[in-house]
Amino acid sequence: GENVEQHPSTLSVQEGDSAVIKCTYSDSASNYFPWYKQELGKGPQLIIDIRSNVGEKKDQRIAVTLNKTAKHFSLHITETQPEDSAVYFCAASLRSGGYQKVTFGIGTKLQVIP
Amino acid sequence: EAQVTQNPRYLITVTGKKLTVTCSQNMNHEYMSWYRQDPGLGLRQIYYSMNVEVTDKGDVPEGYKVSRKEKRNFPLILESPSPNQTSLYFCASSNWGIETYEQYFGPGTRLTVT
Repeated sequence: GENVEQHPSTLSVQEGDSAVIKCTYSDSASNYFPWYKQELGKGPQLIIDIRSNVGEKKDQRIAVTLNKTAKHFSLHITETQPEDSAVYFCAASLRSGGYQKVTFGIGTKLQVIP
Repeated sequence: EAQVTQNPRYLITVTGKKLTVTCSQNMNHEYMSWYRQDPGLGLRQIYYSMNVEVTDKGDVPEGYKVSRKEKRNFPLILESPSPNQTSLYFCASSNWGIETYEQYFGPGTRLTVT
């Protein structure tokens, strides 16, 4: 089955700096790559996603890049703010038996220091 | 308000005492899943359902049961809980189509089995 590796597991940045989280996946059939943000005491929430036919996608201060050849994708957060502090999960998804199977990474705890 | 609700939010129980965690969504979604979140392991899928009366095992189904008698509800059943099922549990729903693969997560249920 699919295996998703995510690093780093923890990341501390100064407010205003950029943060980068990287993930790799194993199954070349994966066609959808979402990123979820989990704030303390809450469930994960989708912040951005990218499909396998797109190399890069941007939404204000966050962007995701995908390299299908190397099977890795990354989340970039620019001009970080304290409210960006959270756990971020990457995931890879592929179609399997009529169901979109999603496999998550282990998560990255981001701390933005004011 | 579109949401996924879980009950209870916190539960402490003893080994072997059957319990049920309820999950309900008000978005008329076809797909629902249960995940457990453990430190260093990320989110792992327990069971999923593609529609009423259609359920299947995820990556870590041992010790759990589910049912989907109504579209909005997807309860998680632990018939004989053990300490290794101490974890944070999330229910999620989605209505996957050609473009929409987003999962909506509930607020989580923290379970402790002593």
